[in-house]
Formats: sequence, structure tokens, C-alpha cells
Amino acid sequence: QVQLVESGGGVVQPGRSLRLSCAASGFTFSIYGMQWVRQAPGKGLEWVAAIGYDGNNKFYGDSVEGRFTVSRDYSKNTVYLQMNDLRAEDTAVYYCAREKPYGSGNYPFDHWGQGTRVTVSS
Amino acid sequence: SYELTQPPSVTVSAGQTASITCSGNKLADKYACWYQQRPGQSPVLLIYQDNKRPSGIPERFSGSSSRNTATLTISGAQAVDEADYYCQAWDSNSLYVFGTGTKVTVL
Repeated sequence: QVQLVESGGGVVQPGRSLRLSCAASGFTFSIYGMQWVRQAPGKGLEWVAAIGYDGNNKFYGDSVEGRFTVSRDYSKNTVYLQMNDLRAEDTAVYYCAREKPYGSGNYPFDHWGQGTRVTVSS
Repeated sequence: SYELTQPPSVTVSAGQTASITCSGNKLADKYACWYQQRPGQSPVLLIYQDNKRPSGIPERFSGSSSRNTATLTISGAQAVDEADYYCQAWDSNSLYVFGTGTKVTVL
């Protein structure tokens, strides 16, 4: 069955960097776009970043554009989120999700990981 | 930027029907989906393409969309349906947009 397992979260000081990983299994990794979504404590879901199935198309939410970078390694079936210049407002649980494309403009996230917690604090 | 607005909370008696709305400009021109997030758990896809259920999702969950509003309906609500619910749509400018979320309480 589809499994997404995030790792790499922790406590980090403002201005520092952190890299999250999402190990995928149970499906053909190379044909699916992948997503990162975060949820600040007590808040709603916020889309963070997306990477296309071929790794060429990458997109970012406004709040992380220029600071975060998404990438993927097909040999390891893993998606990464490199987070630089972290701020207190980046504190959240970060989820990895698989995008299931049903057609133009129709891209629900059909499987989610359990999330990894990132706390940015001095 | 594109925005999706949901009521903060909805309360329903067990066995009754709950409706959760999601409002956005010309939302009916886009595809809406819905996620359920139980306390302490990851989100689960409930509805995609406005009204389709993934395999394993109970039939009591249904979706519809008209003009500026998408609606998630829970028919015969159960205690296990107590959760937060989020709508989502894709916009060509804002890309992946989540709604503000609705907390459903089952009495």
C-alpha cells in the first residue's frame, strides 16, 4: 500500500536551515507529482511546495518562495524540502502528500504522510 | 490571490445531516475536493472532482458544487465524523488553495 514517511523535523534557531525528507513506497514514484503542506499549531492547512513527476516543474507558496527548495531523488524514492532562513512563523507540522492528477485543474492529494514537526525558536 | 472561505464550526446531532460550505469566486469553474482531519491525525481525501469519493470513503459523505460554493454533506452523522474539514481547489494563479477549515461537532 502507499506509504509516505516524513523525517528531518526538529527544533532550529531562526535564520538556520533544515532539510525534510519524505520516503515513498507502495507506488510508482516516478509518475506522481508530490506536495508539501504544513499546519501551524492550532491553524489550518497551508500549501507549501509542489514538484512535478519529472522533477522539472517546481512551485512554491508565497510565504516560502525564495527560502525553500523542493527536490526529489528517484533512486531513493524520496522527496526533499530544503528550508533556509527559517522564521518563527515556519513552525508547523509538515506533511508530504501525493498528488493524483485527474486532468487539468484537478489535482487532489490522495495520500498523506504522518507529518514531521518543525519548531523555529531561539 | 484566490481564497476559499468556510464556516469555522458546524454542529450536528448524531444521525442528522450536516452541510459544510466552501465559498470562492467562480468556484464551480474549478474542481473542489474535501479532506477530513481527525484530531492528531493526517488529512484524508474524502471527495475529489466536486462529488467523487475515493474507494473506502463511506457513502454518507457527498459533495456538490454550484456557482461560488462547494458543499460537503454528511448524511447520518456519526461520532467518528467529529473532525476538521478542509476544502481545496486549484487556481491558475494561486495554485493549490485550501479553505479556512470547519470544525464539525457531533452531539
